[in-house]
Amino acid sequence: QKEVEQDPGPLSVPEGAIVSLNCTYSNSAFQYFMWYRQYSRKGPELLMYTYSSGNKEDGRFTAQVDKSSKYISLFIRDSQPSDSATYLCAMSRASGGSYIPTFGRGTSLIVHP
Amino acid sequence: KAGVTQTPRYLIKTRGQQVTLSCSPISGHRSVSWYQQTPGQGLQFLFEYFSETQRNKGNFPGRFSGRQFSNSRSEMNVSTLELGDSALYLCASSLDPGMVEKLFFGSGTQLSVL
Repeated sequence: QKEVEQDPGPLSVPEGAIVSLNCTYSNSAFQYFMWYRQYSRKGPELLMYTYSSGNKEDGRFTAQVDKSSKYISLFIRDSQPSDSATYLCAMSRASGGSYIPTFGRGTSLIVHP
Repeated sequence: KAGVTQTPRYLIKTRGQQVTLSCSPISGHRSVSWYQQTPGQGLQFLFEYFSETQRNKGNFPGRFSGRQFSNSRSEMNVSTLELGDSALYLCASSLDPGMVEKLFFGSGTQLSVL
């Protein structure tokens, strides 16, 4: 079993829909929780990060972390075709004086007009 | 401000050859890390460098190696290439090690091993 599990999708939604992306994890030592967006033939781009449990909102994006359930979510409101991309969750724990991220495999999101 | 620059963008090699990939971090960033991305395994950590020293290493064989120069630029090398090494190799930089919440990725080098 991988440390971080993420459904690869694809997830197809109409424009304007609310999108829910999720990851589960097994290592309770994870402290930082991130969401990245990756467009085709590009590197991942950090969308949001949260330290420990709680919610964080940035524009149309909301990240939630539930450490008791080992479950994190990313919500996208009023989804746009430009949101079509692969979304990767990542989480990290202290290692050798640094924090090394462990990534989910990514969920492919398609927002159709 | 220029982003993380990786060269080359595409590479085609044959089994048994070796390859060197290059990464120039964002100006002022001193920490560089490398990742391998494949459809089957996703994005996996290779190693992290700071002040020309490897601080962390992922679970990859010794054929994968890297180094960092005094100007923070980094290279990674893969020797005796195998078909399974075909992947997108991504470099990321941050101001300091451990700033995982402020990690910036390059566009990657797509390596194909034939």
